[in-house]
Amino acid sequence: LAKTTQPISMDSYEGQEVNITCSHNNIATNDYITWYQQFPSQGPRFIIQGYKTKVTNEVASLFIPADRKSSTLSLPRVSLSDTAVYYCLVGELEYGNKLVFGAGTILRVKS
Amino acid sequence: NAGVMQNPRHLVRRRGQEARLRCSPMKGHSHVYWYRQLPEEGLKFMVYLQKENIIDESGMPKERFSAEFPKEGPSILRIQQVVRGDSAAYFCASSPYRPETQYFGPGTRLLVL
Repeated sequence: LAKTTQPISMDSYEGQEVNITCSHNNIATNDYITWYQQFPSQGPRFIIQGYKTKVTNEVASLFIPADRKSSTLSLPRVSLSDTAVYYCLVGELEYGNKLVFGAGTILRVKS
Repeated sequence: NAGVMQNPRHLVRRRGQEARLRCSPMKGHSHVYWYRQLPEEGLKFMVYLQKENIIDESGMPKERFSAEFPKEGPSILRIQQVVRGDSAAYFCASSPYRPETQYFGPGTRLLVL
């Protein structure tokens, strides 16, 4: 199973761009990289998913280098409402369909 | 298109009672997953079901816990003879086919007194 490593917490200010990097050295060929966001007392919310290079949607961008051993979630111009826990997950197509959540990164956005 | 629905949102039980948690997946989704989140911890996978079948229950405690996803109706996570250590948030997720794109419900917060 591919293990992920993320910073425990990050602080930022409103309007700044935030980059959260995730390491996954043992990622398998068929694995995808997925990021979820979780607010207090809510279920995780899917943000973005990618396999290689760059993916962008209306919420975030995901940068994945050629070796795929890491990925970076980029949140443009964060606001106070982006304060949440962000989880990096690596797909486990080989081992079934369960998602393995790590501790995640607590992002605190300040005014 | 309604999201994943879970009820009740909050459930209080005394030790030894039974807890039943319900999950209605998103329309068109036939895959349901249950996760548990203990206070200050990440989510832990419990069980993965498709209609009328348990596909993976590797995360389920061997005793007191069971899950089902009948042909008609919601998925049910059942905890018999609850203990205080069962107090947690239980999240249900559903997906149409790909395992990564799971959509989560708001969770049921179980408190065992």
